[in-house]
Amino acid sequence: DARVTQTPRDKVTEMGQEVTMRCQPILGHNTVFWYRQTMMQGLELLAYFRNRAPLDDSGMPKDRFSAEMPDATLATLKIQPSEPRDSAVYFCASGLTYTDRGQSNEQFFGPGTRLTVL
Amino acid sequence: TQLLEQSPQFLSIQEGENLTVYCNSSSVFSSLQWYRQEPGEGPVLLVTVVTGGEVKKLKRLTFQFGDARKDSSLHITAAQPGDTGLYLCAGAVAGGTSYGKLTFGQGTILTVHP
Repeated sequence: DARVTQTPRDKVTEMGQEVTMRCQPILGHNTVFWYRQTMMQGLELLAYFRNRAPLDDSGMPKDRFSAEMPDATLATLKIQPSEPRDSAVYFCASGLTYTDRGQSNEQFFGPGTRLTVL
Repeated sequence: TQLLEQSPQFLSIQEGENLTVYCNSSSVFSSLQWYRQEPGEGPVLLVTVVTGGEVKKLKRLTFQFGDARKDSSLHITAAQPGDTGLYLCAGAVAGGTSYGKLTFGQGTILTVHP
């Protein structure tokens, strides 16, 4: 049963601390997405990668957020320094998309990381 | 920027009632998806609609894609407490580097009371 995994599931930290969230996409998926979900803003796309290359990170505050894919089995989202307004649930999703056969846009979501910044 | 507006935001009904959730945009989408999310979990895909006017049924759930591919609806017949959750619509835009990227609506929180 292939699933996207995320660690940690919950993180409580103090303002100013560095936070790193990790995601293992489904094996064979070529696209990885990072989202943030809050009651006020809903589900917002922060960044996404295809074949490990960053395609769009326009949804991310550049001064404090960074997203990387060191290899095909790991995606990371880092916040440094963290602020209380970063408190949210962060989701990673993966999917298989390719152009030669049209789009396949189903995204498989992980369980999320609930981040609380005090 | 493509925006998707969902309505209503909140829906609280009794078991056995019917309901419809709407998803509207001024933009054309190449496909539209509906996801359901339960507390503490990520969204899970229910259906993808691709063709304008397309209707898909999943047991008591009926999904429709507008003729102009700008809007969609989700209709649930005889709702059950197990249908409780957050329903999200998401649109995909074809072409360029954006393929695969989804724009999500704000979601509809559905509560079905026994």
